[in-house]
Amino acid sequence: IAGITQAPTSQILAAGRRMTLRCTQDMRHNAMYWYRQDLGLGLRLIHYSNTAGTTGKGEVPDGYSVSRANTDDFPLTLASAVPSQTSVYFCASSDTNTGELFFGEGSRLTVL
Amino acid sequence: GQNIDQPTEMTATEGAIVQINCTYQTSGFNGLFWYQQHAGEAPTFLSYNVLDGLEEKGRFSSFLSRSKGYSYLLLKELQMKDSASYLCAVLDSNYQLIWGAGTKLIIKP
Repeated sequence: IAGITQAPTSQILAAGRRMTLRCTQDMRHNAMYWYRQDLGLGLRLIHYSNTAGTTGKGEVPDGYSVSRANTDDFPLTLASAVPSQTSVYFCASSDTNTGELFFGEGSRLTVL
Repeated sequence: GQNIDQPTEMTATEGAIVQINCTYQTSGFNGLFWYQQHAGEAPTFLSYNVLDGLEEKGRFSSFLSRSKGYSYLLLKELQMKDSASYLCAVLDSNYQLIWGAGTKLIIKP
């Protein structure tokens, strides 16, 4: 059982470059999320999608975009990376019945 | 604003009991979650409380008091593998999860 797969697991990126973090789930969950996690701060929601074809902004959406063309995939794009976007990024999906979140293994992004 | 407070770090001894507290102020309440996160790994689900009282699951128990905006996670018979961060999160009136910064638990032999 794969659950949620993120790629890449780690990436070093030059400032100004475009980057897409990929996220795929095989649990057929309707809701999916992108969080960033920084030392000393809680998980912060970047964008979310309640169902395929819809997306919404979270707490820290600036500089990021998402798309949800189908149920399984929810990529996160940084159009022009900046050093403040250095973070660990987690993709998650949720079980509608229980509200429980299932997380991917994370993508560690360093912007130089 | 919405706020979740939990201690930054706690230390306990192997075999002992530890209680990690979480207080919250949110716009509405639709449940409280506890997640465990080992260093360098993804968070994993531990418990969910929506009604007042204690939920027990093996060595872990979670308590909720909605009137006090308070929850705790109780870990018994501590093992070295319990060294991790414990994240408290509240589902608000819009069904958005509000996360605490996490409590890093250090277990000493």
